[in-house]
Amino acid sequence: AQSVTQLGSHVSVSEGALVLLRCNYSSSVPPYLFWYVQYPNQGLQLLLKYTTGATLVKGINGFEAEFKKSETSFHLTKPSAHMSDAAEYFCAASGGYQKVTFGTGTKLQVIP
Amino acid sequence: GAVVSQHPSWVICKSGTSVKIECRSLDFQATTMFWYRQFPKQSLMLMATSNEGSKATYEQGVEKDKFLINHASLTLSTLTVTSAHPEDSSFYICSAPQGVDEKLFFGSGTQLSVL
Repeated sequence: AQSVTQLGSHVSVSEGALVLLRCNYSSSVPPYLFWYVQYPNQGLQLLLKYTTGATLVKGINGFEAEFKKSETSFHLTKPSAHMSDAAEYFCAASGGYQKVTFGTGTKLQVIP
Repeated sequence: GAVVSQHPSWVICKSGTSVKIECRSLDFQATTMFWYRQFPKQSLMLMATSNEGSKATYEQGVEKDKFLINHASLTLSTLTVTSAHPEDSSFYICSAPQGVDEKLFFGSGTQLSVL
């Protein structure tokens, strides 16, 4: 069985500062890894995903994440936060695309 | 991208009543849809997999008689919370895979409050 742990339910950064959202997974086999974003009153949107190949994955809106097997991590980063990045971010893992296990989410606050 | 429409976005009901939540794929057909539930400060938990034309597959611990799922067409799945109780109050969200890589598209969710 898989589990996904997101460290920090709330993260605050200043506008222009680095965004780092942490995610660790527990899986007996290398999983597919995802980051989703949820803006208020909207559905989840896929930011990026790792399946195979290059471990550094670039997504939409300037976000990227690096799969580190040795650390069982898939942290999400963005060099410079924008006000529009304020949202809730979910890390997720699956053995394929369909049955996805989600983390508890991290709310990102961007301070002007 | 593909659109999944979920309705209603929020609903308040009395204890003992039933509530139906709809999930529609607007511009693609979905033979499979997924229903999740999220309690406050907890992660999204998969409740069941809805299969068009056949019975839904429920995750362990989810009461199939309480959470009735119907996937009668390739674009519509419904989740009915029967005899709702306050402990059923939660955020329910659906998703459907689309495309060759079966990317998941999510509805906007339904906040259910049972009084």
